[in-house]
Amino acid sequence: GAVVSQHPSRVICKSGTSVKIECRSLDFQATTMFWYRQFPKQSLMLMATSNEGSKATYEQGVEKDKFLINHASLTLSTLTVTSAHPEDSSFYICSAVPPSGSSYEQYFGPGTRLTVT
Amino acid sequence: AQSVTQLGSHVSVSEGALVLLRCNYSSSVPPYLFWYVQYPNQGLQLLLKYTSAATLVKGINGFEAEFKKSETSFHLTKPSAHMSDAAEYFCAVRENFGNEKLTFGTGTRLTIIP
Repeated sequence: GAVVSQHPSRVICKSGTSVKIECRSLDFQATTMFWYRQFPKQSLMLMATSNEGSKATYEQGVEKDKFLINHASLTLSTLTVTSAHPEDSSFYICSAVPPSGSSYEQYFGPGTRLTVT
Repeated sequence: AQSVTQLGSHVSVSEGALVLLRCNYSSSVPPYLFWYVQYPNQGLQLLLKYTSAATLVKGINGFEAEFKKSETSFHLTKPSAHMSDAAEYFCAVRENFGNEKLTFGTGTRLTIIP
């Protein structure tokens, strides 16, 4: 089956620093990847759509300069949280869509827990 | 615009009892509908999906859901709950063409009572 990985699974950083989260589709190519944010005991909030070879599309209210997304290849998208603050602490989840889209579904990564101290 | 409403943020059932998790959707076009399960500190795993074929959809782990257009519902059921079913469940909707973005419900935490 389709597997999506994220690295790191957990990261702790100091306020003001930047942290990069990787999302990889391991056994398929993904022209589209999505980045979500999930607060404790809440649902997933879509942050942005990442398209290979083009700029990401951000949802309303998401700061594009703070959450930098780069879809460098058909198997890798990265999310960089710049100048992190404690309020950025959250669970970040990515998903990937196979190019044909015939399965109609997104395949989700295991998530990255970010803690900003 | 599309939206999903999950009635009941917490549901508790006894082991062996029927599981029923409710999901109602709103969509201006025929939808695709999904149920995902999330275990603590993990990503989402697809349980089942409706893509305009059979209205009764069977998924993994004994779960099934029925698409009812007249009721705009896609409730998730399992005849007999297991302890391992304890998790967070999310219903999601997307448009059936073009846009692949998912809209998630607020989730239902399922607790199984021994």
